[in-house]
Order: sequence, then structure tokens, then C-alpha cells
Amino acid sequence: GDSVTQMEGPVTLSEEAFLTINCTYTATGYPSLFWYVQYPGEGLQLLLKATKADDKGSNKGFEATYRKETTSFHLEKGSVQVSDSAVYFCALSDPNQGGKLIFGQGTELSVKP
Amino acid sequence: ETGVTQTPRHLVMGMTNKKSLKCEQHLGHNAMYWYKQSAKKPLELMFVYSLEERVENNSVPSRFSPECPNSSHLFLHLHTLQPEDSALYLCASSQEGLAAINEQFFGPGTRLTVL
Repeated sequence: GDSVTQMEGPVTLSEEAFLTINCTYTATGYPSLFWYVQYPGEGLQLLLKATKADDKGSNKGFEATYRKETTSFHLEKGSVQVSDSAVYFCALSDPNQGGKLIFGQGTELSVKP
Repeated sequence: ETGVTQTPRHLVMGMTNKKSLKCEQHLGHNAMYWYKQSAKKPLELMFVYSLEERVENNSVPSRFSPECPNSSHLFLHLHTLQPEDSALYLCASSQEGLAAINEQFFGPGTRLTVL
């Protein structure tokens, strides 16, 4: 079945460092890809999305490019802030699987001042 | 109120208690979802309702009983739970149920502890 694999956390960075969180997927169809973020004590919020190959989703300085050839959707940010500390979830929605959201296990990011 | 709200935010219950979790969405959406979030595990989809009809039930034990009286409200009735049911229960809503490009909006969750 479909699945999403993220790099394990926690990831600890200093403020203004470059961030990469790796995400790869397997899907039987042609999925849409998402990054959700969960701040402490809150629910998940959609951060960005991409619906077809080579699309780049971007929001709040974060970017991710849909790479069909490598089945990846890595999240990047050029300069992280303390306020970016959260858990980040990669997810896919596969029309061949009824469009359910399938999540990775989440990657915790901690940014130190 | 805007978005998706959940009450209570925290709940502690014994294994013999009966309690209910409530979710309300103020977005005019047609579909609502229950997820279970346990430590170190991916989010698990439990139930999906679309236009008040249950369209997905992912082999969830019968001690969890959902109810969707209208498109804005979703309940999760709990009875005779086990300690391993302790988790964060998240509610979400979307414009359509289980569509391919379908942004889901999440509530803040109910932190459930079963003693």
C-alpha cells in the first residue's frame, strides 16, 4: 500500500541555519503531496502542497518540490527561526486510494537561539 | 469561533467510564474526520463522514463510536477504553470527503489519558 517515510528526528538547529527534512513516498497512483506542521499544543496546519511533478509548494519561507523520478518531497528553508520549532508531517493523497491522507511519522524540529 | 474546535482539550478517564469528544467546524465543509495520534507513530485515520454518512471505518474497535448529527458536528463516544487508547485525538474537516486534492483543516485535539 501507499506509504510516506520521513527522516527521523529530533532535528536540532541553531537560528538562521539551513533546514532540510527528507520525505519519500510510495504510491500506486499519481498522488498529491503535502507538508503539515504541528506547533506545540495545537492541531496540524497545512504548510504547503504540490499536485503534480516538478511543482514547487512554498509558504512562510519553506519550499518543497515534487520529484516524481526520486519519489521525494523534501522540505527546505534557508534560515530557520526559533518560532519554526514544531513537528513537521509529510503526507500524500492518492486518488487510487480514495484520496485519503497518508502521513509520515513526523519529524520534530527544535531551533535554538 | 472560526475553524475547527474540539472539546474538551484534555480528558482523563477510567477504563469503566463513558465519555464523549466533541468537534465542531465553522467552515461550511461537507466532510469530517477523526484521527488518532500516538507518540512515535503516524497519524491513524479512524473515521470519515461525508454529508453526515460514514464512508470510512478503519477497523476501529467498537469501544469507539462516532456520531455525526449534521455536517458541522462530530462526536466520538468512548466506553470501556484501555490504557493503550491514551493519545491525542484530532478532528479535521474538508470541503469534500476523500477527494484527491483535499485540504483538511484540523482542530487542536483532545489529549486523552485512560487510567
